[in-house]
Amino acid sequence: LAKTTQPISMDSYEGQEVNITCSHNNIATNDYITWYQQFPSQGPRFIIQGYKTKVTNEVASLFIPADRKSSTLSLPRVSLSDTAVYYCLVGDDRGSTLGRLYFGRGTQLTVWP
Amino acid sequence: ETGVTQSPTHLIKTRGQQVTLRCSSQSGHNTVSWYQQALGQGPQFIFQYYREEENGRGNFPPRFSGLQFPNYSSELNVNALELDDSALYLCASSGETGKSTGELFFGEGSRLTVL
Repeated sequence: LAKTTQPISMDSYEGQEVNITCSHNNIATNDYITWYQQFPSQGPRFIIQGYKTKVTNEVASLFIPADRKSSTLSLPRVSLSDTAVYYCLVGDDRGSTLGRLYFGRGTQLTVWP
Repeated sequence: ETGVTQSPTHLIKTRGQQVTLRCSSQSGHNTVSWYQQALGQGPQFIFQYYREEENGRGNFPPRFSGLQFPNYSSELNVNALELDDSALYLCASSGETGKSTGELFFGEGSRLTVL
């Protein structure tokens, strides 16, 4: 399973855009990049997934450069409720390894008023 | 609300005891994965069950075992509990729902405290 590296913590203020970058130098050809959000004492929640270029949904955007060795999760106009731990994961989410994911320690995002 | 339910939500055991945690997967999902999350750490993969068979295991000793039933619900059993087993145990379901998005659906977890 490919491992990832991301900042341990980040701080932001309400209304700002937050970008969290993740490194995954050993990403394999079949691997997708997935981001999860976790609040204290809750299970992680899927945010977004991508393979290359840019993916956007109603809550976030995911930017993936051509070499796919890193990715950036972008949260537009964060609010206090976005304070959580964000995990970047790499894995073959459409194969037999779906569910066997390496989470790492994640990035603790704290949003201040 | 992910449709994945876990029980019990909290429990306290003593060293050497055994514990069984339960998970009901989301309707239509045939794969269940279990994770252990210690305080301040990310979830660590324990094992996965696919159609009632173990389908991959992380770096956990044999005293961590599991089952999956015909309705795809699952149990995690831990024997000879140790203090370091204190953690949040998470269950995640995935699988054949028509159009798989590659997304894992997690339950809220079972908080185990070993004294």
